[in-house]
Amino acid sequence: SYVLTQPPSVSVAPGQTAKITCGGNNIGSQSVHWYQQKPGQAPVLVVYDDSDRPSGIPERFSGSNSGKTATLTISRVEAGDEADYYCQVWDSSSVHTGDHHFVFGSGTKVTVL
Amino acid sequence: QVQLVQSGAEVKKPGSSVKVSCTASGDTFFTIYSITWVRQAPGQGLEWMGRIILISGTTIYAQRFQGRVSITADESTSTAYMELSSLRSEDTAVYYCARVPIASNWFDPWGQGTLVTVSS
Repeated sequence: SYVLTQPPSVSVAPGQTAKITCGGNNIGSQSVHWYQQKPGQAPVLVVYDDSDRPSGIPERFSGSNSGKTATLTISRVEAGDEADYYCQVWDSSSVHTGDHHFVFGSGTKVTVL
Repeated sequence: QVQLVQSGAEVKKPGSSVKVSCTASGDTFFTIYSITWVRQAPGQGLEWMGRIILISGTTIYAQRFQGRVSITADESTSTAYMELSSLRSEDTAVYYCARVPIASNWFDPWGQGTLVTVSS
């Protein structure tokens, strides 16, 4: 099955830029989506289709995807950005096995110093 | 603005079943989406369980839950259900529903989550 690899943690000072990576075999050919989850809360979609933002999500959140790595970038980090972030794809290769499924990365905890 | 509201916390015995509901409000086009279910064990990441394509009723389940999970929906009440059987302690988790737009593969919005505790 398809595996998405994320670093367990990223630390960043307020006002700086945080980059969260999501690695996967040929992930550049997939559409990657990103979720923010704060403690005790449900996940919230922050980026979809690699780089699009849902309404209400600040422009500070951006995404890119190429080759073997997708990246979520948080610019001008604020204390309120401290959360777990998950990448997610639909495993298109699973169609051929009849097992259409979604895959999440293991999550990255972003700590604002 | 659509909201997904889930049923309340449950405590179940090992070997029993649990059925969690997910009701959509603020959206008159319930059937043009899929509803997916994701769970999160304590301190762990997100795990996809399955989805139901509402317009057709087609269900798709993650292999590891095949035979134990059943996802259904009632269009008249804009409610989806996830039933998990043969519960074991490892099924203790928060269960989330989320909406998936047709022809898309992202989840938005999510329900508030339902804690299911399996304990003897």
